[in-house]
Amino acid sequence: ETGVTQSPTHLIKTRGQQVTLRCSSQSGHNTVSWYQQALGQGPQFIFQYYREEENGRGNFPPRFSGLQFPNYSSELNVNALELDDSALYLCASSLVAGNTEAFFGQGTRLTVV
Amino acid sequence: LAKTTQPISMDSYEGQEVNITCSHNNIATNDYITWYQQFPSQGPRFIIQGYKTKVTNEVASLFIPADRKSSTLSLPRVSLSDTAVYYCLVGIYNQAGTALIFGKGTTLSVSS
Repeated sequence: ETGVTQSPTHLIKTRGQQVTLRCSSQSGHNTVSWYQQALGQGPQFIFQYYREEENGRGNFPPRFSGLQFPNYSSELNVNALELDDSALYLCASSLVAGNTEAFFGQGTRLTVV
Repeated sequence: LAKTTQPISMDSYEGQEVNITCSHNNIATNDYITWYQQFPSQGPRFIIQGYKTKVTNEVASLFIPADRKSSTLSLPRVSLSDTAVYYCLVGIYNQAGTALIFGKGTTLSVSS
């Protein structure tokens, strides 16, 4: 197993609500990235955190925000949920910022109704 | 990151060798080539990474020609459990802020 854990595994929210997803990175990894994966598509990069600072961001609106804590765990927050936010949200950690060998968690399946 | 092109799907039988080719015509000098595997409802898993020539590990081999405009992931003697989506990515190794850019990948179906 990769050692990256995400919670919860499944979640159902109503449009307009807010959601927080959590990720514990693999031991010793100081970089965490978040991805959104819609059904039938490849994962899309949301943002990356390195030592508690945002270190890169994909084409996602500001209502997608995040945090990284001193123990390198991370949160993804999404405000004002839309139906199109329904997806698998993946967290990936890596030993070095920008390392293309990343370790992914099993994801959180978010359904917005 | 360079755009990649790979077949949408491939079919194979157990015990066969499977080769998945990825085209990346605009690969930059500092780009590495990385392959990931993903099973349904799971996160992608790193398979192999290389820069040029051939790289082999316990799971797969990666062949990269001299011009680096394409690469081939080779899976020896596939089994039913190799049925998954395979993604080819190119990007700069160890650059801060590097995002993994995934395409739609290649869906490999292995039958008995």
